[in-house]
Amino acid sequence: QVQLVESGGGVVQPGRSLRLSCAASGFTFSSYGMHWVRQAPGKGLEWVAVISYDGYNKYYADSVKGRFTISRDNYKNALFLQMNSLRAEDTAVYYCAKAGSGYLRSSKFDYWGQGTLVTVSS
Amino acid sequence: QSALTQPASVSGSPGQSITISCTGTSSDVGGYNYVSWYQQHPGKAPKLMIYEVSNRPSGVPDRFSGSKSGTTASLTISGLQTEDEADYYCISYINTSPPLWVFGGGTKVTVL
Repeated sequence: QVQLVESGGGVVQPGRSLRLSCAASGFTFSSYGMHWVRQAPGKGLEWVAVISYDGYNKYYADSVKGRFTISRDNYKNALFLQMNSLRAEDTAVYYCAKAGSGYLRSSKFDYWGQGTLVTVSS
Repeated sequence: QSALTQPASVSGSPGQSITISCTGTSSDVGGYNYVSWYQQHPGKAPKLMIYEVSNRPSGVPDRFSGSKSGTTASLTISGLQTEDEADYYCISYINTSPPLWVFGGGTKVTVL
């Protein structure tokens, strides 16, 4: 069955960096786009970034553009989110989610990981 | 990019029907059928309930249905059950350059 397992979260000081990983299994990883979605404590969901199946197309929310980089390794079935210049407002649970369709425009995220908590605090 | 507009809360008694609205613009909800709905129970990951406005993934009860009129999408829960108490979020693709995806603010559904 499809499994997505995030890791790499933790407590980090403002201005520092952190790299999140998402290990995928149970499907042909190289055939699907992947998203990162975050949720600040007690708040709603916020879309963060997407990467196409081949890694060629990458798009970001305005709130993270220029600071975060999404990438993938189709040989290792892994998704990454490199987060630089972290701010207090980046504190959230970060979820990776599998695109449920072959076209990137779709908002169908059919499988989600359990999330990893990132806390930005001095 | 502004979030899609959802009511903060909706409530109903078991067996009743409720509808959650999700209002956007012609650049997102009104322009494309790339609207989905997610259910989230406390401490859990979101779960896909409806995709492309009105399609239901396998395993989702048929009491959940979706529709769209103009720039407003809707999720209807018919025959409300206690396990339906959760937060619900809509999301839409936005046709900008570069493209974006935006969630609604979320709706807390309470089963009375």
